[in-house]
Amino acid sequence: GAVVSQHPSRVICKSGTSVKIECRSLDFQATTMFWYRQFPKQSLMLMATSNEGSKATYEQGVEKDKFLINHASLTLSTLTVTSAHPEDSSFYICSARGILPVNTEAFFGQGTRLTVV
Amino acid sequence: GDSVTQMEGPVTLSEEAFLTINCTYTATGYPSLFWYVQYPGEGLQLLLKATKADDKGSNKGFEATYRKETTSFHLEKGSVQVSDSAVYFCALTPRQAGTALIFGKGTTLSVSS
Repeated sequence: GAVVSQHPSRVICKSGTSVKIECRSLDFQATTMFWYRQFPKQSLMLMATSNEGSKATYEQGVEKDKFLINHASLTLSTLTVTSAHPEDSSFYICSARGILPVNTEAFFGQGTRLTVV
Repeated sequence: GDSVTQMEGPVTLSEEAFLTINCTYTATGYPSLFWYVQYPGEGLQLLLKATKADDKGSNKGFEATYRKETTSFHLEKGSVQVSDSAVYFCALTPRQAGTALIFGKGTTLSVSS
């Protein structure tokens, strides 16, 4: 199957700093990428949908100024957690789908474990 | 709207036991159905899929059949191994193209030797 690479896999940062997470589709063009957050022992929470060349669509309750998403090319989307606080510590996962056919599966990155100290 | 309901866990089994994780869905149209697996500390991996009614997806000894009459896609394996311990997610494609898959809440499977 297609490969989605997410980097870094783990990051520890100090409160108040910003952290950027990259998500790359390695062998297909991902017009749409998705960012999820996962708390321990819980399901995936969709944060936003990222469309190449346009603004991301955020789910209700997700602060767009805190979680900046950029999808500048068909193979790269980035999530920047700005002014991070300990409550932002979580597991973040990106996902990509091709646009056609309609019923294509989603491919996931390896996830990023963010710890804010 | 479209939704996926899967059995709550955790499911605890001994090695070589038979596994069933139930998944039912509500959807308009004819979605594709998926099972994903998440090992500790990792992202999700596609385990198997089915794109139309009566299709059977299979991989690594796991199977699931797309049952339109019961709107179900139950995951089964005849003999589980310790290495199968993970979280399993059932999912479907939404009707609108380019939108995120709709996931169930996940079922944790723990297999002991």
